[in-house]
Amino acid sequence: KAGVTQTPRYLIKTRGQQVTLSCSPISGHRSVSWYQQTPGQGLQFLFEYFSETQRNKGNFPGRFSGRQFSNSRSEMNVSTLELGDSALYLCASSLNAGSPGEKLFFGSGTQLSVL
Amino acid sequence: DQQVKQNSPSLSVQEGRISILNCDYTNSMFDYFLWYKKYPAEGPTFLISISSIKDKNEDGRFTVFLNKSAKHLSLHIVPSQPGDSAVYFCALVVGFKTIFGAGTRLFVKA
Repeated sequence: KAGVTQTPRYLIKTRGQQVTLSCSPISGHRSVSWYQQTPGQGLQFLFEYFSETQRNKGNFPGRFSGRQFSNSRSEMNVSTLELGDSALYLCASSLNAGSPGEKLFFGSGTQLSVL
Repeated sequence: DQQVKQNSPSLSVQEGRISILNCDYTNSMFDYFLWYKKYPAEGPTFLISISSIKDKNEDGRFTVFLNKSAKHLSLHIVPSQPGDSAVYFCALVVGFKTIFGAGTRLFVKA
């Protein structure tokens, strides 16, 4: 079974630009979550989607948005990039996030650098 | 608000000895607690979990202890091996989201 695939692996952008990151979950998984990892901050929850609906959202500004398609693939978009948006963005999938004890399966992430 | 805290950014242990990683949480509504391990350039991978109705769960060299009254979680690795060197995140599940701590970087010296 193929794992969670994130593209691209690396991205360099300049301030003010926008970026779209893509995530393909494990086949059969319907929940996709996005996290931002920065040094010393751990994994900060961005949002979670299930069956094309956003069920939960973290404390990030509206510049961060996402969506999920009918095949469970997900994209996240960051508009008007700021230097502080430089981070590793991780996508995780599960059958149904929130089921007791259900673990997440992570992709390798997209490393975004904003210059 | 930081609902999950891992107060030790790093830990160094000799090969063969015990590694103890700690995690504190503030919300008593958490149902499930998990530990993930992360190597550089890879996403985190699930290691072990424990339900809030238990106080201990063991899987090979890894044991997780839960002290609900103290709102404290710990991961014991015995014996520690160089391949265990990684960042360890504790994670708590509430609703449809998993909340992670800041992580502890474990160095196991050969």
